[in-house]
Amino acid sequence: AQSVTQLGSHVSVSEGALVLLRCNYSSSVPPYLFWYVQYPNQGLQLLLKYTSAATLVKGINGFEAEFKKSETSFHLTKPSAHMSDAAEYFCAVSGGNQGGKLIFGQGTELSVKP
Amino acid sequence: GAVVSQHPSWVICKSGTSVKIECRSLDFQATTMFWYRQFPKQSLMLMATSNEGSKATYEQGVEKDKFLINHASLTLSTLTVTSAHPEDSSFYICSARDRAGGPKEQFFGPGTRLTVL
Repeated sequence: AQSVTQLGSHVSVSEGALVLLRCNYSSSVPPYLFWYVQYPNQGLQLLLKYTSAATLVKGINGFEAEFKKSETSFHLTKPSAHMSDAAEYFCAVSGGNQGGKLIFGQGTELSVKP
Repeated sequence: GAVVSQHPSWVICKSGTSVKIECRSLDFQATTMFWYRQFPKQSLMLMATSNEGSKATYEQGVEKDKFLINHASLTLSTLTVTSAHPEDSSFYICSARDRAGGPKEQFFGPGTRLTVL
Protein backbone atom coordinates (compact mmCIF):
# COMPACT_ATOMS: atom_id res chain seq x y z
CA ALA A 1 0.00 0.00 0.00
CA GLN A 2 1.07 3.57 -0.59
CA SER A 3 0.52 6.64 1.50
CA VAL A 4 1.58 10.25 1.73
CA THR A 5 1.98 12.44 4.79
CA GLN A 6 2.30 16.18 4.55
CA LEU A 7 3.65 17.70 7.71
CA GLY A 8 1.86 20.89 8.59
CA SER A 9 -1.63 21.68 7.35
CA HIS A 10 -0.76 25.35 7.24
CA VAL A 11 2.52 27.12 6.56
CA SER A 12 2.98 30.87 6.69
CA VAL A 13 6.01 32.69 5.29
CA SER A 14 6.92 36.27 4.54
CA GLU A 15 7.27 37.47 0.99
CA GLY A 16 10.81 36.78 -0.17
CA ALA A 17 11.41 34.05 2.39
CA LEU A 18 12.18 30.42 1.73
CA VAL A 19 9.23 28.13 1.19
CA LEU A 20 9.53 24.56 2.50
CA LEU A 21 6.59 22.19 2.32
CA ARG A 22 7.22 18.72 3.66
CA CYS A 23 6.09 15.44 2.17
CA ASN A 24 6.92 11.92 3.25
CA TYR A 25 5.73 8.88 1.42
CA SER A 26 5.37 5.18 1.97
CA SER A 27 5.60 2.80 -0.95
CA SER A 28 6.55 -0.83 -1.39
CA VAL A 29 7.56 -0.19 -4.99
CA PRO A 30 9.58 2.57 -6.63
CA PRO A 31 7.24 5.52 -6.54
CA TYR A 32 6.30 8.27 -8.87
CA LEU A 33 5.86 11.46 -6.85
CA PHE A 34 4.04 14.63 -7.69
CA TRP A 35 3.38 18.08 -6.28
CA TYR A 36 0.19 19.85 -7.30
CA VAL A 37 -1.06 23.34 -6.49
CA GLN A 38 -4.70 24.30 -6.12
CA TYR A 39 -6.03 27.83 -6.11
CA PRO A 40 -9.48 28.48 -4.58
CA ASN A 41 -12.34 26.88 -6.48
CA GLN A 42 -10.03 25.52 -9.14
CA GLY A 43 -8.65 22.17 -10.18
CA LEU A 44 -5.11 20.99 -9.60
CA GLN A 45 -2.08 22.16 -11.54
CA LEU A 46 1.04 20.06 -11.72
CA LEU A 47 4.09 21.79 -10.25
CA LEU A 48 6.61 19.01 -10.75
CA LYS A 49 7.04 15.25 -10.80
CA TYR A 50 9.66 12.65 -9.93
CA THR A 51 9.84 9.73 -12.30
CA SER A 52 13.01 7.88 -11.21
CA ALA A 53 15.37 10.06 -13.20
CA ALA A 54 17.16 12.96 -11.52
CA THR A 55 16.51 13.17 -7.80
CA LEU A 56 16.39 16.97 -7.86
CA VAL A 57 13.36 17.98 -9.84
CA LYS A 58 12.69 21.48 -11.06
CA GLY A 59 9.18 22.60 -11.71
CA ILE A 60 7.20 25.62 -12.70
CA ASN A 61 7.11 28.97 -10.91
CA GLY A 62 10.55 28.47 -9.37
CA PHE A 63 9.63 25.41 -7.30
CA GLU A 64 11.80 22.37 -6.94
CA ALA A 65 11.78 19.16 -4.94
CA GLU A 66 14.36 16.58 -4.00
CA PHE A 67 13.66 12.87 -3.83
CA LYS A 68 15.46 11.29 -0.90
CA LYS A 69 14.92 7.56 -0.81
CA SER A 70 16.72 7.09 2.50
CA GLU A 71 14.37 9.55 4.15
CA THR A 72 11.31 8.62 2.05
CA SER A 73 10.82 12.32 1.50
CA PHE A 74 9.96 14.61 -1.39
CA HIS A 75 9.93 18.10 0.11
CA LEU A 76 8.96 21.10 -2.01
CA THR A 77 11.02 24.27 -1.86
CA LYS A 78 11.17 27.70 -3.39
CA PRO A 79 13.95 30.16 -2.53
CA SER A 80 11.80 33.27 -2.45
CA ALA A 81 8.07 33.34 -1.85
CA HIS A 82 5.76 35.56 -3.86
CA MET A 83 2.30 36.67 -2.85
CA SER A 84 0.94 34.71 -5.80
CA ASP A 85 2.26 31.47 -4.27
CA ALA A 86 -0.49 31.53 -1.65
CA ALA A 87 -2.53 28.40 -2.36
CA GLU A 88 -3.12 24.81 -1.30
CA TYR A 89 -0.36 22.34 -2.14
CA PHE A 90 -0.79 18.60 -2.46
CA CYS A 91 1.85 15.91 -2.58
CA ALA A 92 0.84 12.67 -4.29
CA VAL A 93 2.30 9.24 -4.95
CA SER A 94 1.60 6.72 -7.66
CA GLY A 95 3.11 3.46 -8.71
CA GLY A 96 3.06 -0.29 -8.55
CA ASN A 97 -0.22 -2.03 -9.17
CA GLN A 98 -2.43 0.84 -8.15
CA GLY A 99 -3.71 1.18 -11.70
CA GLY A 100 -2.36 4.67 -12.02
CA LYS A 101 -4.20 5.92 -8.98
CA LEU A 102 -2.84 8.95 -7.21
CA ILE A 103 -2.74 8.86 -3.45
CA PHE A 104 -2.86 12.39 -2.08
CA GLY A 105 -1.55 13.87 1.10
CA GLN A 106 -3.78 15.96 3.29
CA GLY A 107 -2.62 19.20 1.73
CA THR A 108 -0.73 22.20 3.04
CA GLU A 109 -2.13 25.68 2.85
CA LEU A 110 0.59 28.21 2.14
CA SER A 111 0.05 31.79 3.25
CA VAL A 112 2.43 34.56 2.18
CA LYS A 113 2.63 37.69 4.28
CA PRO A 114 3.64 41.01 2.74
CA GLY B 1 -1.62 20.74 -24.41
CA ALA B 2 -3.19 18.25 -21.97
CA VAL B 3 -6.30 20.26 -21.20
CA VAL B 4 -9.24 18.78 -19.33
CA SER B 5 -12.54 20.58 -19.13
CA GLN B 6 -15.56 20.07 -16.91
CA HIS B 7 -19.11 21.16 -17.42
CA PRO B 8 -20.85 22.70 -15.66
CA SER B 9 -18.45 24.61 -13.44
CA TRP B 10 -21.15 24.98 -10.84
CA VAL B 11 -24.66 23.69 -10.40
CA ILE B 12 -27.45 24.16 -7.87
CA CYS B 13 -30.22 21.60 -7.75
CA LYS B 14 -33.12 20.56 -5.58
CA SER B 15 -32.95 17.54 -3.34
CA GLY B 16 -34.09 14.40 -5.16
CA THR B 17 -33.04 15.47 -8.63
CA SER B 18 -30.18 14.06 -10.68
CA VAL B 19 -27.19 16.01 -11.92
CA LYS B 20 -24.78 15.10 -14.70
CA ILE B 21 -21.22 16.37 -14.82
CA GLU B 22 -19.11 16.05 -17.95
CA CYS B 23 -15.36 15.64 -18.11
CA ARG B 24 -13.60 16.04 -21.45
CA SER B 25 -10.00 15.71 -22.54
CA LEU B 26 -9.70 18.41 -25.17
CA ASP B 27 -6.42 17.68 -26.90
CA PHE B 28 -5.57 14.10 -26.06
CA GLN B 29 -7.16 10.70 -25.79
CA ALA B 30 -7.75 9.37 -22.32
CA THR B 31 -8.32 5.67 -21.79
CA THR B 32 -8.59 6.29 -18.08
CA MET B 33 -10.32 9.06 -16.20
CA PHE B 34 -10.67 9.51 -12.48
CA TRP B 35 -13.37 11.16 -10.42
CA TYR B 36 -12.58 12.83 -7.12
CA ARG B 37 -14.61 14.51 -4.45
CA GLN B 38 -13.25 17.30 -2.31
CA PHE B 39 -14.82 18.78 0.80
CA PRO B 40 -13.83 22.27 1.97
CA LYS B 41 -10.31 22.46 3.36
CA GLN B 42 -9.75 18.77 2.69
CA SER B 43 -7.80 16.66 0.28
CA LEU B 44 -9.12 14.91 -2.80
CA MET B 45 -10.88 11.61 -2.28
CA LEU B 46 -10.86 9.23 -5.20
CA MET B 47 -14.37 8.06 -5.96
CA ALA B 48 -13.86 5.89 -9.02
CA THR B 49 -11.67 5.01 -11.95
CA SER B 50 -13.33 5.18 -15.34
CA ASN B 51 -11.99 3.17 -18.26
CA GLU B 52 -13.22 3.75 -21.78
CA GLY B 53 -15.65 1.09 -22.89
CA SER B 54 -15.85 -0.74 -19.57
CA LYS B 55 -17.48 -0.40 -16.21
CA ALA B 56 -16.04 2.00 -13.70
CA THR B 57 -14.18 0.75 -10.67
CA TYR B 58 -15.47 2.33 -7.50
CA GLU B 59 -13.51 2.92 -4.32
CA GLN B 60 -14.66 1.32 -1.13
CA GLY B 61 -17.57 3.14 0.41
CA VAL B 62 -18.69 4.89 -2.78
CA GLU B 63 -22.21 3.99 -3.84
CA LYS B 64 -22.07 2.98 -7.48
CA ASP B 65 -25.84 3.25 -7.87
CA LYS B 66 -25.77 6.80 -6.64
CA PHE B 67 -22.73 7.98 -8.56
CA LEU B 68 -23.14 6.68 -12.08
CA ILE B 69 -20.08 6.90 -14.26
CA ASN B 70 -20.00 6.46 -18.03
CA HIS B 71 -16.88 6.61 -20.18
CA ALA B 72 -18.33 6.30 -23.65
CA SER B 73 -15.42 7.66 -25.65
CA LEU B 74 -11.72 8.37 -25.35
CA THR B 75 -12.43 12.03 -24.63
CA LEU B 76 -15.55 12.01 -22.48
CA SER B 77 -16.54 10.66 -19.09
CA THR B 78 -19.69 11.61 -17.22
CA LEU B 79 -20.61 11.46 -13.55
CA THR B 80 -24.30 11.46 -12.68
CA VAL B 81 -25.30 12.08 -9.11
CA THR B 82 -28.68 10.43 -8.80
CA SER B 83 -31.33 11.53 -6.33
CA ALA B 84 -29.01 14.14 -4.93
CA HIS B 85 -29.24 15.16 -1.30
CA PRO B 86 -27.63 18.04 0.59
CA GLU B 87 -24.85 15.76 1.84
CA ASP B 88 -23.80 15.26 -1.79
CA SER B 89 -22.90 18.94 -2.00
CA SER B 90 -19.22 19.07 -2.75
CA PHE B 91 -16.53 19.98 -5.25
CA TYR B 92 -16.16 17.25 -7.87
CA ILE B 93 -12.95 17.07 -9.86
CA CYS B 94 -12.06 14.78 -12.74
CA SER B 95 -8.68 13.91 -14.12
CA ALA B 96 -7.48 12.08 -17.20
CA ARG B 97 -4.43 10.07 -18.17
CA ASP B 98 -3.00 10.57 -21.62
CA ARG B 99 -3.32 7.40 -23.66
CA ALA B 100 0.03 8.14 -25.21
CA GLY B 101 1.82 7.46 -21.97
CA GLY B 102 3.58 9.62 -19.48
CA PRO B 103 4.58 8.36 -16.07
CA LYS B 104 1.11 7.94 -14.69
CA GLU B 105 0.60 11.68 -14.73
CA GLN B 106 -2.96 12.86 -14.46
CA PHE B 107 -4.31 16.10 -15.88
CA PHE B 108 -7.05 17.71 -13.83
CA GLY B 109 -10.20 19.49 -14.78
CA PRO B 110 -11.21 22.78 -13.13
CA GLY B 111 -13.83 21.14 -10.95
CA THR B 112 -17.60 21.36 -10.57
CA ARG B 113 -19.20 22.85 -7.48
CA LEU B 114 -22.44 21.03 -6.68
CA THR B 115 -24.88 22.52 -4.20
CA VAL B 116 -27.99 20.52 -3.33
CA LEU B 117 -30.76 22.47 -1.65
